[in-house]
Amino acid sequence: QAGLTQPPSVSKGLRQTATLTCTGNSNNVGNQGAVWLQQHQGHPPKLLSYRNNNRPSGISERFSASRSGNTASLTITGLQPEDEADYYCSAWDSSLSAWVFGGGTKLTVL
Amino acid sequence: QVQMVESGGGVVQPGESLRLSCAASGFTFSDDAMHWVRQAPGKGLEWLAFIRNDGGVKFYADSVRGRFTISRDNSKNTLYLQMNSLTAEDTAVYYCANENQQPFDYWGQGTLVTVSS
Repeated sequence: QAGLTQPPSVSKGLRQTATLTCTGNSNNVGNQGAVWLQQHQGHPPKLLSYRNNNRPSGISERFSASRSGNTASLTITGLQPEDEADYYCSAWDSSLSAWVFGGGTKLTVL
Repeated sequence: QVQMVESGGGVVQPGESLRLSCAASGFTFSDDAMHWVRQAPGKGLEWLAFIRNDGGVKFYADSVRGRFTISRDNSKNTLYLQMNSLTAEDTAVYYCANENQQPFDYWGQGTLVTVSS
């Protein structure tokens, strides 16, 4: 199944802003929007955002999501060392009747 | 608090079968849809299967359709994944995750499945 496209890596400095992208098509991101998950090494993923910019309780306001056409974005402001992690996007694909994931972006905080 | 504990992983030979379980607690299991997601060593996440809260709707990834079966027992608060005809490409950590108001809300710690001769 075709997945979503994410850049493999992004590096930003402490307290800077990082924007991660996730590109799909009109059957997935462009239709239903994307969810974003964070995964620290050795731990299970954690939901950061769903339906484009809804945050579960307990998720910092420094994480915000948006969508433009078939591309979803996750913006992290005021980068902290603990933000260094892998970030995955996912979306329901109505043509496949399946959830699809991006390959993940490794965020490095310098 | 919400907790999901996967079990049933281990080392199996190619062609063999395995059944994974996901024991849920801290929420009303019968209200939530559930997912199985896996992660091969050093790789990204791969969605495998979805089951509606009542078990009446199931979806599968192409990579496992016909080999894997998702099921649930709401009386036991437990989700299952029956995996048949396993190959080396199925080697991964297998996670369960719930979905109520949002997909992939909470995840278990995962169980490792290794397929090797």
